[in-house]
Amino acid sequence: DAGVIQSPRHEVTEMGQEVTLRCKPISGHNSLFWYRQTMMRGLELLIYFNNNVPIDDSGMPEDRFSAKMPNASFSTLKIQPSEPRDSAVYFCASRKQGTGGAWETQYFGPGTRLLVL
Amino acid sequence: AQSVTQLGSHVSVSEGALVLLRCNYSSSVPPYLFWYVQYPNQGLQLLLKYTTGATLVKGINGFEAEFKKSETSFHLTKPSAHMSDAAEYFCAVSGGGGSNYKLTFGKGTLLTVNP
Repeated sequence: DAGVIQSPRHEVTEMGQEVTLRCKPISGHNSLFWYRQTMMRGLELLIYFNNNVPIDDSGMPEDRFSAKMPNASFSTLKIQPSEPRDSAVYFCASRKQGTGGAWETQYFGPGTRLLVL
Repeated sequence: AQSVTQLGSHVSVSEGALVLLRCNYSSSVPPYLFWYVQYPNQGLQLLLKYTTGATLVKGINGFEAEFKKSETSFHLTKPSAHMSDAAEYFCAVSGGGGSNYKLTFGKGTLLTVNP
């Protein structure tokens, strides 16, 4: 199993540019999460998809952030325009949601380290 | 609402010594509790989790944790630290109800192992 795949692993961009982060969940998983990790705020859930449908986007910081999941094997997180305060590590995680939910393990990708200058 | 408090942002031990990382949680519903480990420049990896049943949970790499409801704690231990255990450790809680997909993480504890 390849695990959760994220690209790029590192991204350096200038303020105002568009940034697109990509995620391929584990095959067979039907839930996908985007997290942001910073020193100040720790790990924050940005958005949660179930069966490709956004269920909870309350963690998305503002309208500059958007996420899509066009199919079960691909998701994007877009920041437009980017700002220096968006600099963070962005993680994608996936989970196979059965009848339970709360106890089922989320599997994390390696993350994308974003630096906005 | 759920929350997690990890006592000590940085713990330093000698190789071979006991590792104890503390986690206290707050939850209005029976919690499910997790410990994740993050090695440098990597994603989070599940160490162990408590769902129901036996309160002492064994995980990978010799780690274990005990759920103590009366103390609202889920401390992580390992009898003998190894250099390869140096990493950041996150405690997390999830629960039932409409937000049973949410994992609430603590701030993390950085473990340093000295030779």
